[in-house]
Amino acid sequence: KQEVTQIPAALSVPEGENLVLNCSFTDSAIYNLQWFRQDPGKGLTSLLLIQSSQREQTSGRLNASLDKSSGRSTLYIAASQPGDSATYLCAVRINTNAGKSTFGDGTTLTVKP
Amino acid sequence: GAVVSQHPSRVICKSGTSVKIECRSLDFQATTMFWYRQFPKQSLMLMATSNEGSKATYEQGVEKDKFLINHASLTLSTLTVTSAHPEDSSFYICSSGQIEAEQYFGPGTRLTVT
Repeated sequence: KQEVTQIPAALSVPEGENLVLNCSFTDSAIYNLQWFRQDPGKGLTSLLLIQSSQREQTSGRLNASLDKSSGRSTLYIAASQPGDSATYLCAVRINTNAGKSTFGDGTTLTVKP
Repeated sequence: GAVVSQHPSRVICKSGTSVKIECRSLDFQATTMFWYRQFPKQSLMLMATSNEGSKATYEQGVEKDKFLINHASLTLSTLTVTSAHPEDSSFYICSSGQIEAEQYFGPGTRLTVT
């Protein structure tokens, strides 16, 4: 059974700081890994999708990496802003016919002005 | 724009009543959709896999007779919470997407059972 762990559970940083969020998974037989952002009481916003054959993806100030063999992914946020405050979730899509996703518990980020 | 929609976005019902939530894929045909549940301050937990034209597959611990899933067409899956109780109050989210590609998540339905 796939298990996904995110560290740290919560993170508070001053504005402008670069930061890294971590995601680890136990079964490397995956289709892809997706990072999401969730604001309080809201749905999911997809940030980055990394296919199993890829090593990293970038979008603006965000960079996500994937090391499938070690079961790890990181989300790097450059020059953090208060608007980045949210919960960040990683989801691993398993390599089966159904392709269902398993989510980590998330990292709640607070960026202080 | 959104590729997966959900309706309603918010619903309040009395204990003992049933509530139906719809999930529609807007831009593609979905033979498979997924239903997730999220309790406050927790992550998303997969409830079931909805299969077009066949029975849904439920995750361990999810009561199939309480959470009825119907996937009658390639663009619509419905989740009916039967005889709802306060402990069923949660955020329900559906998703769909081609295998090996990005999953698209609906905006979610917040259910409150009084």
